[in-house]
Amino acid sequence: NAGVTQTPKFQVLKTGQSMTLQCAQDMNHEYMSWYRQDPGMGLRLIHYSVGAGITDQGEVPNGYNVSRSTTEDFPLRLLSAAPSQTSVYFCASWRSALAGELFFGEGSRLTVL
Amino acid sequence: SQQGEEDPQALSIQEGENATMNCSYKTSINNLQWYRQNSGRGLVHLILIRSNEREKHSGRLRVTLDTSKKSSSLLITASRAADTASYFCVSTGNQFYFGTGTSLTVIP
Repeated sequence: NAGVTQTPKFQVLKTGQSMTLQCAQDMNHEYMSWYRQDPGMGLRLIHYSVGAGITDQGEVPNGYNVSRSTTEDFPLRLLSAAPSQTSVYFCASWRSALAGELFFGEGSRLTVL
Repeated sequence: SQQGEEDPQALSIQEGENATMNCSYKTSINNLQWYRQNSGRGLVHLILIRSNEREKHSGRLRVTLDTSKKSSSLLITASRAADTASYFCVSTGNQFYFGTGTSLTVIP
């Protein structure tokens, strides 16, 4: 049972490039989300999904796109990378609405030059 | 998703001592959770306390919740070097709200 798997763990991009951060969970959780973590700021919600085919914006959605075609996968796309998107990104999943624990991936460290 | 503040921001103690971290939040909650994050790793769930509970224990962890003051505390007793990590409170209302974290260093 792998839990939440994120790839890649590290990535360096040039300004303007696009890329996709992958997230997969094998716990059959309906709910998934993407956060970014910056020094001294805790975690900020980028996008979330309450089930396959349903996504919504979080606190800091600009410059990011998501889709949820299956229950297992929730990729995060950076459309045109900017230095302000340099951060550590975490994917999380949970079973029931706001009632249980979050399961996190190990994180993806992105540097945009 | 950031509606919590934690105090202190950093804490350094000797192995065997107790560590206390405090968390304040802003909105009414369904529950409050504490997570640990080791350096360079993801967050790991430690304990959940429901809004109608005042205290909860799990091993060396003790969590209290005061909904009238919108605050919670996490006590780690008999700390170990392996407890060195950042600790985050997460309050759950209509979404998850993360605190800014307390960085705990336990000196062997």
